[in-house]
Amino acid sequence: DAGITQSPRHKVTETGTPVTLRCHQTENHRYMYWYRQDPGHGLRLIHYSYGVKDTDKGEVSDGYSVSRSKTEDFLLTLESATSSQTSVYFCAISEDNQETQYFGPGTRLLVL
Amino acid sequence: RKEVEQDPGPFNVPEGATVAFNCTYSNSASQSFFWYRQDCRKEPKLLMSVYSSGNEDGRFTAQLNRASQYISLLIRDSKLSDSATYLCVVTLTDSWGKLQFGAGTQVVVTP
Repeated sequence: DAGITQSPRHKVTETGTPVTLRCHQTENHRYMYWYRQDPGHGLRLIHYSYGVKDTDKGEVSDGYSVSRSKTEDFLLTLESATSSQTSVYFCAISEDNQETQYFGPGTRLLVL
Repeated sequence: RKEVEQDPGPFNVPEGATVAFNCTYSNSASQSFFWYRQDCRKEPKLLMSVYSSGNEDGRFTAQLNRASQYISLLIRDSKLSDSATYLCVVTLTDSWGKLQFGAGTQVVVTP
């Protein structure tokens, strides 16, 4: 299995509070991604990174920001959490071919 | 309309039987196709890529029909361990690395 960890694995927070999720990889892969998964929807891309300090928006980026200061870490921040951001968040990484992606174990976030 | 659509199932399959299901995609510029498997409360994992000529990996066979814009997955001699949700994944020619995921088809293999 690819060396990807996510922290925390579970979090309960209140509306309006900031939340940061961390993705850490030991594979030295250049590309990293944040997805959310909700019932009835496929995984949807929030943000992605194609290198240190190089990031771009995905299809559901509103309300989220990311940072990548090191190859191995990709942070996802909810500046002010809302109940609609209750979801399961997956981080993924890929090698240069950019297509086969390997996923972390996920973070379950509940916003009350 | 969703970019990638799948029958959510569940497909209830007796152990040892064959099950097949499809996934349709809306964008004719779609370039690459994959099946991922996701176990309950786990992360998706790549099952197999789908090639234009069709391909097999053990008991799993994937087919691509570009004219009708769908891909299929067939599982032969189903095992209890095949119970999972199967995600159809498509990439677009002009969107490197950006995968379009279907919502998944649930397969339940029963003894």
